[in-house]
Amino acid sequence: AQTVTQSQPEMSVQEAETVTLSCTYDTSESNYYLFWYKQPPSRQMILVIRQEAYKQQNATENRFSVNFQKAAKSFSLKISDSQLGDTAMYFCAFISGNTGKLIFGQGTTLQVKP
Amino acid sequence: DSGVTQTPKHLITATGQRVTLRCSPRSGDLSVYWYQQSLDQGLQFLIQYYNGEERAKGNILERFSAQQFPDLHSELNLSSLELGDSALYFCASSVGLKGYNEQFFGPGTRLTVL
Repeated sequence: AQTVTQSQPEMSVQEAETVTLSCTYDTSESNYYLFWYKQPPSRQMILVIRQEAYKQQNATENRFSVNFQKAAKSFSLKISDSQLGDTAMYFCAFISGNTGKLIFGQGTTLQVKP
Repeated sequence: DSGVTQTPKHLITATGQRVTLRCSPRSGDLSVYWYQQSLDQGLQFLIQYYNGEERAKGNILERFSAQQFPDLHSELNLSSLELGDSALYFCASSVGLKGYNEQFFGPGTRLTVL
C-alpha cells in the first residue's frame, strides 16, 4: 500500500524568506504523480504544484518549486520569497497513474510571519 | 473558484440521523470523488464514480453510500451518524478516471454531529 509522510506538523518562516516542506512516500509503482496542495483558513483545497514521476526535471510554478528525489522517494516543496498569503496547511499527495485515489500526508501548517 | 459546487456548506445534525451531501462537478468532468477530512483521520479518500459507475473505494464505512446520477452530480449519504463522523467532506471532479487527470476540489461541506 502506498503511504505519504510529512514529518513537520508545523513550520514558520519570515516574510520574504525561503522555506522547505518535507515529504516522503512509499510505493512499488513506477507510474505515479505527486502533488502539493494548499489549504488556507477558508478550507479550500488548492493545487500548488504537480510532478510526474517519469519526469526527471523538478517542477516549478512561480515561487514554488519541488525537489523530487525518486530513488529516495522524497518530494519536498520550496517556497521562495514567502508571502503572508502563503500561510496555510500544505498537503503532500500521491496518486497512482492507474487509479483516481489521492493519498494525502498528514499536512504541515505553515505560518508566514511579518 | 474550482467550478465544483457542494451543498450544503454546513450541516448540523444529531447522532443516529441520516444526511445527504450533494456535489455538482465541473462542466465536462465525468469523474467524481469524495474525501473526508477529520482531525483524527486526516484527509482520506472515500469513493470514486466515473460516468455513473463506482470505480474505486477507499476507507468508506458501510453506513455511508454514494451514487452518481445521469446528469453527473453525485450524492453522499451518511446514515446512523456518530459523533466521529463530524468532518469536512470534500467532493472533487476530473475529466477522466486515471491519476494523470487533475482533480478539482469543491469548497466542502462541514458536518457537525451533536
